[in-house]
Amino acid sequence: EIVLTQSPGTLSLSPGERATLSCKTSQSVSSSYLAWYQQKPGQAPRLLIYGASNRATGIPDRFSGSGSGTDFTLTISRLEPEDFAVYYCQRSGPGVYTFGQGTKLEIK
Amino acid sequence: QVQLQESGPGLVEPSGPLSLTCAVSGGSVSNSNWWIWVRQPPGKGLEWIGEMHHSGNSNYNPSLRSRVTISLDKSKNQFSLKLSSVTAADTAVFYCATSTGSYKIDYWGQGTLVTVSS
Repeated sequence: EIVLTQSPGTLSLSPGERATLSCKTSQSVSSSYLAWYQQKPGQAPRLLIYGASNRATGIPDRFSGSGSGTDFTLTISRLEPEDFAVYYCQRSGPGVYTFGQGTKLEIK
Repeated sequence: QVQLQESGPGLVEPSGPLSLTCAVSGGSVSNSNWWIWVRQPPGKGLEWIGEMHHSGNSNYNPSLRSRVTISLDKSKNQFSLKLSSVTAADTAVFYCATSTGSYKIDYWGQGTLVTVSS
């Protein structure tokens, strides 16, 4: 079983700053199968990035994804107030989806 | 754009079955999507439960496989989740969702909280 480990657990930043969130997998995974989601309190997750670097429909270009192998990164270039939320990485493949434990992005 | 809406009991007794339904609009369960269930215990992370395709193919989380059934009702354009022998550890918000391809979960329902308690 492939385990996804996200870091940090909590990230405290101010609006306008740059956020860098990490997702490490216990085994190498195809970048085609790595996605990122945003979840705000009381809401369902929202797809941000798929295929490690492809923005989903309607996602602002301040969100970007990168990485390969076992190391993947979600970057938010300039934080807006609405970006403070929990972010999950997810690895998928035929017949399986696995989520990381999440990174909480909070206002400093 | 696909819209999903979960429905079902908010309270289930221990050892009983948990049954939820997801109504689909703006799309058809007979198309090429995979139809998915995900759960989230209060204050915790996301756990994929399983998925089903109109072809009849299904996949389940190995940790839940012995207790889970996902089915499609093409006549009602909905899909369902049944989880047997529930315990308090199964208390969670349950989301129905769908993947249009590329192993990404594109659309999500709003979620429904199911509490297992007597």
